[in-house]
Amino acid sequence: DIVMTQSPDSLAVSLGERATINCKSSQSVLYSSNNKNYLAWYQQKPGQSPKLLIYWASTRESGVPDRFSGSGSGTDFTLTISSLQAEDVAVYYCHQYYSNPYTFGQGTNLEIK
Amino acid sequence: QVQLQQSGPGLVKPSQTLSLTCAISGDSVSSNIAAWVWFRQSPSRGLEWLGRTYYRSTWYSEYALSVKSRITINPDTSKNQFSLQLNSVTPEDTALYFCARWRGSDGIDIWGQGTVVTVSS
Repeated sequence: DIVMTQSPDSLAVSLGERATINCKSSQSVLYSSNNKNYLAWYQQKPGQSPKLLIYWASTRESGVPDRFSGSGSGTDFTLTISSLQAEDVAVYYCHQYYSNPYTFGQGTNLEIK
Repeated sequence: QVQLQQSGPGLVKPSQTLSLTCAISGDSVSSNIAAWVWFRQSPSRGLEWLGRTYYRSTWYSEYALSVKSRITINPDTSKNQFSLQLNSVTPEDTALYFCARWRGSDGIDIWGQGTVVTVSS
């Protein structure tokens, strides 16, 4: 199984400041035939289902604010929120869809400082 | 607008079968692009992918090894829905269960509302 490890487990950031969440996979999720990283990011607010933010490691889902961005390749990935808004308080998960079983990170709890 | 509506019991006895259904509106379970997926979420296991079914000229199913001996995900084309059956449940199967749409080969873009299932006598 590919193990996804996020850091930090929790993060407190001031409104308007940058938030950075890291995700490391135990093996590469880069598919060489199409040069795509099979890595997505999800946001989950309390009492809600997860919401897709980023796929292919850096492609923003339609309707997601451009303050959210994803980067990285191979085994190391980052989700950045450029200017934190109050509505961004949530748990964030990375997810690899490179190989079965399609595993998630443990989640990063993002709060307002 | 695609929506998924989950239904099924919230309490299952140990050793019995957990059965949930996910009704699809705005898309087709027979889509040649999407896959239809079940996940669960618990404090001990986090978010866990259980399996998926999809149609590409014929029907395919794919399951997580951790539940492969106990799980069946079936499409129902007459009702445009898909189902999850998990046999021989134990208290460790207690979780919040989600159905979802896996769009093409990129992201899981539509989720059901979630169903809390408790395994207890």
